[in-house]
Amino acid sequence: GAVVSQHPSRVICKSGTSVKIECRSLDFQATTMFWYRQFPKQSLMLMATSNEGSKATYEQGVEKDKFLINHASLTLSTLTVTSAHPEDSSFYICSARSPGTSIDNEQFFGPGTRLTVL
Amino acid sequence: AQTVTQSQPEMSVQEAETVTLSCTYDTSESDYYLFWYKQPPSRQMILVIRQEAYKQQNATENRFSVNFQKAAKSFSLKISDSQLGDAAMYFCAWALPAQKLVFGQGTRLTINP
Repeated sequence: GAVVSQHPSRVICKSGTSVKIECRSLDFQATTMFWYRQFPKQSLMLMATSNEGSKATYEQGVEKDKFLINHASLTLSTLTVTSAHPEDSSFYICSARSPGTSIDNEQFFGPGTRLTVL
Repeated sequence: AQTVTQSQPEMSVQEAETVTLSCTYDTSESDYYLFWYKQPPSRQMILVIRQEAYKQQNATENRFSVNFQKAAKSFSLKISDSQLGDAAMYFCAWALPAQKLVFGQGTRLTINP
């Protein structure tokens, strides 16, 4: 149980285009989801926290208008990288948790999405 | 702000031997959680072990165990009988109950056959 999927696993796009990444909790209701960015050989950097039905909370330094997060249902959150540029190329990871349940206080991670912007 | 420090960027161990990865953290909170995550080459984050700060007993999961020293704010991971499949990046993480994770910089573990 507690499986999180991400789609796509890899995406290559041209500079200036927008890319949407989906994060789904497959067998539990994820009221909270997190989006991370990871550069090669570095740790995970939290970008934002999203709660179902409300606006995401962004970490300091993360551009809200560039990284649009939507968490419209209890099993789906999306990250849209708008007007992507080569510096946005990175590995994006989502995680999900289910507050108030027996698996609370634990985050379940998706397999990640590698974004390459040409 | 809470910080997590992993002072060993890289570690290596012979297969079947034991290795300890270090982690220290800084917080003024008393109720929190600590985690060790493994990230193999596939980059899928895998929870290895977790520790609740209010528990004095060190957590264990098969070959993985922790040495939790609350007063010293230390949370090391011991891997016994190391196997080739243990090779990965290991991240130590801290979190308040139901809050975001704060990750350390990571330690790359190599297993020598």
